[in-house]
Amino acid sequence: GAGVSQTPSNKVTEKGKYVELRCDPISGHTALYWYRQSLGQGPEFLIYFQGTGAADDSGLPNDRFFAVRPEGSVSTLKIQRTERGDSAVYLCASSPVSGRPSSYNEQFFGPGTRLTVL
Amino acid sequence: AQRVTQPEKLLSVFKGAPVELKCNYSYSGSPELFWYVQYSRQRLQLLLRHISRESIKGFTADLNKGETSFHLKKPFAQEEDSAMYYCALSGRNTGNQFYFGTGTSLTVIP
Repeated sequence: GAGVSQTPSNKVTEKGKYVELRCDPISGHTALYWYRQSLGQGPEFLIYFQGTGAADDSGLPNDRFFAVRPEGSVSTLKIQRTERGDSAVYLCASSPVSGRPSSYNEQFFGPGTRLTVL
Repeated sequence: AQRVTQPEKLLSVFKGAPVELKCNYSYSGSPELFWYVQYSRQRLQLLLRHISRESIKGFTADLNKGETSFHLKKPFAQEEDSAMYYCALSGRNTGNQFYFGTGTSLTVIP
């Protein structure tokens, strides 16, 4: 079946603008994670959804970042008043089982959205 | 605090030579360690996990709790092993978070 998909693949925006990044998880996967990967760094956890609710949003850097998953499937990461420091690749991952990523709860990653803030 | 350290950003080896990608971690308790790989123009994917004690594509990794290490090894590197490798950690103390190292870019020279 299809893997995790993310749209757009690339997004260029201007400082101060609002952006939305979309993630389509693997069908039936209840857990969904967002990560941010800055240049030269590993992925950094942002937020985790269990079904429709954000079970852990402790990784969101500030209140300009928000994510939703209204029907427990597709998720949207929203960034307000973008700053140049928000430029990064935003990764989404899904898992078939709710709960923390573990040896029994493998994450499947999407291709990422490369966000560039000018 | 939980932390994963990959001391080498870049590593080059000749085809057929042994390769070792280093990973050290900091964690209180029993961690779960993983290696993820990202080939050129492909998405991040799981390579292996310590709990499985498996060998994938000739790679193995042993969790050494005394040295807090989880180095990735392969006795004979192949050109197709050239990729970015990330060590990652999870555990009961991490909640829902999954900690990645900064990655090592492996180049296998023909």
